Amino acid sequence: AQSVTQPDIHITVSEGASLELRCNYSYGATPYLFWYVQSPGQGLQLLLKYFSGDTLVQGIKGFEAEFKRSQSSFNLRKPSVHWSDAAEYFCAVGAITGGGNKLTFGTGTQLKVEL
Amino acid sequence: EPEVTQTPSHQVTQMGQEVILRCVPISNHLYFYWYRQILGQKVEFLVSFYNNEISEKSEIFDDQFSVERPDGSNFTLKIRSTKLEDSAMYFCASSEQQLAKNIQYFGAGTRLSVL
Repeated sequence: AQSVTQPDIHITVSEGASLELRCNYSYGATPYLFWYVQSPGQGLQLLLKYFSGDTLVQGIKGFEAEFKRSQSSFNLRKPSVHWSDAAEYFCAVGAITGGGNKLTFGTGTQLKVEL
Repeated sequence: EPEVTQTPSHQVTQMGQEVILRCVPISNHLYFYWYRQILGQKVEFLVSFYNNEISEKSEIFDDQFSVERPDGSNFTLKIRSTKLEDSAMYFCASSEQQLAKNIQYFGAGTRLSVL
């Protein structure tokens, strides 16, 4: 069965600093990987996705993520964080099992941005 | 931009009562999902639904849970006799296709509080 690990529960960065959120996955086949963000009172919004091809993927709001098969990782990065990036970030792996399609999420990383 | 709508945003109920959580998926989507997130824990898959049938369900989705698409627009999750441990945020999602690489769009969630 697939699983996702986000080692950092909370991260605090200063506005303008760079950011990297870690994600490790376990999946037997080619993974379909996603990063979602949840702001307070909002739903889960897709930031970016990796299906195949270029291992560095660009997303919305200036985020990018790099798929590293050898490390089973899909870390999210942003070169310069803005105060509005404060939110909870979820890494997920998608899989078809038993005729359905489900996402398996990590526990999330809460990002705090200091002004 | 089309979005998934969930109502109510917060539901408070007494233990043993029935609750129905409502979702309006994106109009041209054919696949529907429910996930839940207990406070401080992972977002967990509950069930996927297509063509008026459950495609897959998790071990969490026991006989107390049911899903229905009563008309062309709504998708509901019913909990027949709520327990304290059902307190969680419940997310509805929809996608155009079942493929693992298909994007699931999430609603803002319904916070269920069982007293």
